[in-house]
Amino acid sequence: AQSVAQPEDQVNVAEGNPLTVKCTYSVSGNPYLFWYVQYPNRGLQFLLKYITGDNLVKGSYGFEAEFNKSQTSFHLKKPSALVSDSALYFCAVRDMAVGNTPLVFGKGTRLSVIA
Amino acid sequence: DAEITQSPRHKITETGRQVTLACHQTWNHNNMFWYRQDLGHGLRLIHYSYGVQDTNKGEVSDGYSVSRSNTEDLPLTLESAASSQTSVYFCASSESVAGVVTGELFFGEGSRLTVL
Repeated sequence: AQSVAQPEDQVNVAEGNPLTVKCTYSVSGNPYLFWYVQYPNRGLQFLLKYITGDNLVKGSYGFEAEFNKSQTSFHLKKPSALVSDSALYFCAVRDMAVGNTPLVFGKGTRLSVIA
Repeated sequence: DAEITQSPRHKITETGRQVTLACHQTWNHNNMFWYRQDLGHGLRLIHYSYGVQDTNKGEVSDGYSVSRSNTEDLPLTLESAASSQTSVYFCASSESVAGVVTGELFFGEGSRLTVL
């Protein structure tokens, strides 16, 4: 069965510093991988996705993620954090080997960017 | 602009009552999903639908039901509300390309349900 893990409940980073939010996944076939962001009292918003091709994926608001097949990871990164990046971040996966299955989400990582 | 709307945004009910949460999307997406969000659990899938008259159970479907009579709507019903169903509920939709669900979900703003 497909699954995704976000090993950190909370990540704190100073404004202007690079940030990384970690995600690892488990699938039997090839993965579709996604990152979503949730601001307080809002629904989730799509940030970026990996389906195939270049392992470095660029998304909204200056975020990027690197797909690493050997480490089964899809970490979210940003070179310089902003206070406005503070939010809850979710990684999600679909296993392409099992047909049209819905996305499975991780438990989320709360990012706090400190001024 | 296309959108996905949920109602009500907030509801308080009593144990044992039937509750229906509405979800309406104007994206014309075939695929619709209901998730619940709880602290420590992230998002968990309740039910989903890949088209009119199609419904499927998700990870935490017990005590919930859905019906899909048209493309735009997927109402979620709690037949007999329980305190364990106190949560924030999110509806989402996505398109399919060549019959494959693309996976990029568009979410509503959520419905916060409290069962007393």
